[in-house]
Amino acid sequence: GAGVSQSPRYKVAKRGQDVALRCDPISGHVSLFWYQQALGQGPEFLTYFQNEAQLDKSGLPSDRFFAERPEGSVSTLKIQRTQQEDSAVYLCASSPTGGLNSPLHFGNGTRLTVT
Amino acid sequence: EDQVTQSPEALRLQEGESSSLNCSYTVSGLRGLFWYRQDPGKGPEFLFTLYSAGEEKEKERLKATLTKKESFLHITAPKPEDSATYLCAVQGVGDSSYKLIFGSGTRLLVRP
Repeated sequence: GAGVSQSPRYKVAKRGQDVALRCDPISGHVSLFWYQQALGQGPEFLTYFQNEAQLDKSGLPSDRFFAERPEGSVSTLKIQRTQQEDSAVYLCASSPTGGLNSPLHFGNGTRLTVT
Repeated sequence: EDQVTQSPEALRLQEGESSSLNCSYTVSGLRGLFWYRQDPGKGPEFLFTLYSAGEEKEKERLKATLTKKESFLHITAPKPEDSATYLCAVQGVGDSSYKLIFGSGTRLLVRP
């Protein structure tokens, strides 16, 4: 497909477990973003990659959150020792440029539920 | 601090009943204002980008306008398939200008 692909679509984790969320951006897109969306709220910025470089991780809620994009394409968001407050939809988005003046293309997200 | 407020939180319309959604924003310098549509269980889908006050964009039954403090999304003669959450987001100028700051959205329900 031509869009941003995220997997898994749903993830249930017990508190304290580690999880890994995958994002396949649109081929050739330089910029990749992760956003977190709580129920009934708008997405909130987590982190930004330009190719393989993580240029901004200021939105990551704690040091339990880690993101990587080692070859400048696929990205993984990892959450260690999950907590109930981590329950949310995690959205990945990509852009052909640096995200300036060009719309982001979002995936359908991974819904994480921590029990 | 950049901020986006959307109103109303929810809106119910009868098919054909036109209305407007509001997006008020505070940003040190506006690079762009974006409107997205989000269906349940899906990611946001891009609708419009507006860059300067006075600008307007149209797509089918939707028209977006921009002033220095707010944007409106006008929906003319809506249909049930227009039911969705509409999200507004801004990009400011500066070092973090790649970030989108989103509002909480307006949930629109159009009844037949």
